[in-house]
Amino acid sequence: NAGVTQTPKFQVLKTGQSMTLQCAQDMNHNSMYWYRQDPGMGLRLIYYSASEGTTDKGEVPNGYNVSRLNKREFSLRLESAAPSQTSVYFCASSEDGVLDTIYFGEGSWLTVV
Amino acid sequence: QKEVEQDPGPLSVPEGAIVSLNCTYSNSAFQYFMWYRQYSRKGPELLMYTYSSGNKEDGRFTAQVDKSSKYISLFIRDSQPSDSATYLCAMRLAGRRALTFGSGTRLQVQP
Repeated sequence: NAGVTQTPKFQVLKTGQSMTLQCAQDMNHNSMYWYRQDPGMGLRLIYYSASEGTTDKGEVPNGYNVSRLNKREFSLRLESAAPSQTSVYFCASSEDGVLDTIYFGEGSWLTVV
Repeated sequence: QKEVEQDPGPLSVPEGAIVSLNCTYSNSAFQYFMWYRQYSRKGPELLMYTYSSGNKEDGRFTAQVDKSSKYISLFIRDSQPSDSATYLCAMRLAGRRALTFGSGTRLQVQP
């Protein structure tokens, strides 16, 4: 059981370049999330999707777009990367219940130079 | 001011010690409280989940919630070198799915 899978694991981008982080879960979860983790800031929510076809902004959505392609996949796109987007990105998923656990992927390390 | 405050550490203890990790929060609407453990270069994994004031025990781990003081704690008994990781508290509002995290406390258990 793979759980939540993210690609790529590491990426270096130049300022202004675009890229997409891919995420897939095999647990048949309805909700999916993208978080970023920065030193001293903890994990901050970028976007989330409560179900296929719906997305909502989180705490730090500026500079990002997302697509909930189907129930399994939720991608995060940086249209014009900035050094401030250097971070570790985590995709996560959960069922709908109040007490349901949020499962995280292994993370994607992104550096923008 | 952050909604959830957590001392970043690092916290260094000898093997076998009792460890106390803490978070405070400002939003009294938080109803569900979690502790995640994150090893270096890995994603967070859930350790404990509680939604009521009081204590919840699971093996060597005890989660404590005091909603009146807006304060949560995680206690680790008989700490082991394998407990060395960053511990993140997280909270959820009623009716919401997304979590609000503390910044994490780095724990080092010395053999």
